[in-house]
Amino acid sequence: QVTLRESGPALVKPTQTLTLTCTFSGFSLSTSGMCVSWIRQPPGKALEWLALIDWDDDKYYSTSLKTRLTISKDTSKNQVVLTMTNMDPVDTATYYCARIYGDYDLFDYWGQGTLVTVSS
Amino acid sequence: QTVVTQEPSLTVSPGGTVTLTCASSTGAVTSGYYPNWFQQKPGQAPRALIYSTSNKHSWTPARFSGSLLGGKAALTLSGVQPEDEAEYYCLLYYGGAQPQWVFGGGTKLTVL
Repeated sequence: QVTLRESGPALVKPTQTLTLTCTFSGFSLSTSGMCVSWIRQPPGKALEWLALIDWDDDKYYSTSLKTRLTISKDTSKNQVVLTMTNMDPVDTATYYCARIYGDYDLFDYWGQGTLVTVSS
Repeated sequence: QTVVTQEPSLTVSPGGTVTLTCASSTGAVTSGYYPNWFQQKPGQAPRALIYSTSNKHSWTPARFSGSLLGGKAALTLSGVQPEDEAEYYCLLYYGGAQPQWVFGGGTKLTVL
């Protein structure tokens, strides 16, 4: 059974760095074709793709947020970590992690999401 | 900046058929964009419905189908049920040296 769970602070202050962890089970990120991605959704707005890391440790970032994002994985812990620097109130959103499998074409399982509010 | 466009809202009667579309600002959507479709109900995480244009997940109801239609990705619901009322998002893959994935703005489907 594949599950993913996001964790991290519910509240961060402007200019701070956000660190989110995606803990997953039911698959290994060392398996060829496996990837984990981060997606966010501001309240009442659309989904936005942020970053992806694959089994080979290749990392891809949204061009609009690339300078602020870092994605990494700890295969032994079944975790993927996303950091986002210089947080701003517009970054207030629910952050999701999701599994991608295959040739980057198959998004299947999602976590339940974690709401991060940016406020002083 | 690549933009993926969906109908903001659609309304369908129970038992009816409706098609949602997904267009790319870069031109015609092909299978190489690996269109994925997701359903999201209020307060819930998105749920995957379709991957790689037309492939269903094991949990996807048979009434959902994906295709390419007139240069766009399309999601068709046949025999719509009240529980299909939700927001639907498409996702397109833009390959290259720095691959990108871009979501559409979503379609709010009302079953009335």
